[in-house]
This record gives sequence, structure tokens and C-alpha cells, in this order.
Amino acid sequence: GAGVSQSPSNKVTEKGKDVELRCDPISGHTALYWYRQSLGQGLEFLIYFQGNSAPDKSGLPSDRFSAERTGGSVSTLTIQRTQQEDSAVYLCASSLVTGISNQPQHFGDGTRLSIL
Amino acid sequence: QQQVKQSPQSLIVQKGGISIINCAYENTAFDYFPWYQQFPGKGPALLIAIRPDVSEKKEGRFTISFNKSAKQFSLHIMDSQPGDSATYFCAASNPNQFYFGTGTSLTVIP
Repeated sequence: GAGVSQSPSNKVTEKGKDVELRCDPISGHTALYWYRQSLGQGLEFLIYFQGNSAPDKSGLPSDRFSAERTGGSVSTLTIQRTQQEDSAVYLCASSLVTGISNQPQHFGDGTRLSIL
Repeated sequence: QQQVKQSPQSLIVQKGGISIINCAYENTAFDYFPWYQQFPGKGPALLIAIRPDVSEKKEGRFTISFNKSAKQFSLHIMDSQPGDSATYFCAASNPNQFYFGTGTSLTVIP
């Protein structure tokens, strides 16, 4: 499809396990964002990739969280040694950044992560 | 420091009424102000956006009012419908930064 694709849509895992969440951005979009949204809450910024620049990791809540973006396209968010407080919906967004004006972010439908 | 402040946190409106959600920002370098609509189980979707060179933008029943001097902007939903029940996020950005408000849960009662 033409939109941002995230997988899996749902993930249930035991505390202490590692999880990988995948995001396929819209083709041609150079910017990619990860957010975390707890139940009924706002969007918590996690990390931002723009082209080949070093990512902005300022929102990552702990060193258990990491993300990479291979070939400027697909991104993977990894959470190691998961904790119950990591349970949330993880949203990915992409946008076309011109450097001159802003373009809107386009979101996927998220991965709902549940830690037992 | 919260870059974008959004209010109210929740809002209940009768069908046919006007829904108003307000946002305020601090950084005068922001030059793009979108609003997003999110339904349960879905990601936020762009609803309408404005740039600071205009004071109002209207698309159908949705209007953004922008007050540059006050650093405030608001979303007005005219003739609110039950299908408008969703969470709304304002945002403010420039090419290097993008900040969301905390969201407003809107319920439109039939």
C-alpha cells in the first residue's frame, strides 16, 4: 500500500524478553519518527531519523531502547529486557522533509505491545 | 518544558454544536501548525494545517484560527457529528523540530 506499514500489529511477550518492531515508511520519505502512546495518553517522542544524518535519540527512555534505519528506508525499534511499563502502542511516522518547509507526518496504525 | 500546550483534555459536545480545541506555543520559529485526528486503534491522521502567514483556514466543517501575536491557534469543528468523536492533537514545527500537544478527547453526543 501507499501508507506507513507497521508490523506486527499486536505483540504479547513475557517480561524480560526482547522485541523488535518494524516500520516501512512511505516510499521517498526521508524522515522517520517513532513515538510511544500509552493508553489514553499523548504521543511520546522516541527517536527521529532524517536522511543519512545521525538520528535524534533524545526521546529514548532508557538504554534498553534502540532503533536503526537500514538503507534510509525500513526501521526497526528494539526493546531489550522488556518491562511491564513498556506496554503501549508504538507508532511510526514518516514525512518528506524539504529543508525549506514542513510536510505533515504520516502515521502507521502502530504496534500494540503487551508485556505480561 | 512543554513546547505546545493543548486544552481542554476532554470535551463533550451535543450533535450540531461547535467543538473548540485550543493550543498555545512558545517558539516563534515554528512555521507549520497541523491538527491530527485519531480514532481508536488507528494512528493519527492529518486533518488540517496552517502556516503563520494566514489567520484562518477552513476545510469543510473544520477551521483553524491562528493568532500569531498571541502564539495561539485553535481548531473549530462546526456542526459536530458523532463521527467526529476522536482524539485530536495539535502540533507545531519547523524543519528541525516537531512537537505535539497532549491531545483532546472529543465526544459528540447524538
